[in-house]
Amino acid sequence: DTAVSQTPKYLVTQMGNDKSIKCEQNLGHDTMYWYKQDSKKFLKIMFSYNNKELIINETVPNRFSPKSPDKAHLNLHINSLELGDSAVYFCASSQDPGPRQPQHFGDGTRLSIL
Amino acid sequence: KQEVTQIPAALSVPEGENLVLNCSFTDSAIYNLQWFRQDPGKGLTSLLLIQSSQREQTSGRLNASLDKSSGRSTLYIAASQPGDSATYLCAAMEYGNKLVFGAGTILRVKS
Repeated sequence: DTAVSQTPKYLVTQMGNDKSIKCEQNLGHDTMYWYKQDSKKFLKIMFSYNNKELIINETVPNRFSPKSPDKAHLNLHINSLELGDSAVYFCASSQDPGPRQPQHFGDGTRLSIL
Repeated sequence: KQEVTQIPAALSVPEGENLVLNCSFTDSAIYNLQWFRQDPGKGLTSLLLIQSSQREQTSGRLNASLDKSSGRSTLYIAASQPGDSATYLCAAMEYGNKLVFGAGTILRVKS
């Protein structure tokens, strides 16, 4: 009964490839997020969707494209992978995008670019 | 631009000690301040969320305080246990409902 689940947990691939990471939440939340945690352990917001609508889009290369087919899913597609994309990517969800609700995180996807 | 700093970067204490983790932020115009716990290979678990109008929140052995005017928050852990060993992250929610995270404090509680 995992609340926020991401697949795959590990992803090792070559530079230049295209890959996707999937995220699903069973909490009934309206808002979902993607974060990137780099080698220095800083977590940074990338995107946020509320009811399938994009509400936060940070300065992220357009090789990254999020897609939300429904409120319970937010997938992240990455084109033309580069060495600098190696990181842990976390999905999260919250009841709404406001400041009163805590965010619930998945266990992360560790992406390694060879 | 909001910056969040956590001190110390790492802390090792014997079991049973009370301890304080510090978090500072540069822009006091925040909506809330949140503390998370991250275990190795795992995601973040929300511990405490302090709204901008509040001064503190408590949950069990954890107490978090917020002083917006000085740009500081502290997480107090009472009677620490080995199971408290983890990385503790604080995050400030800024305009646009975006969380800005610190780099974390790695806590080790020795039995």
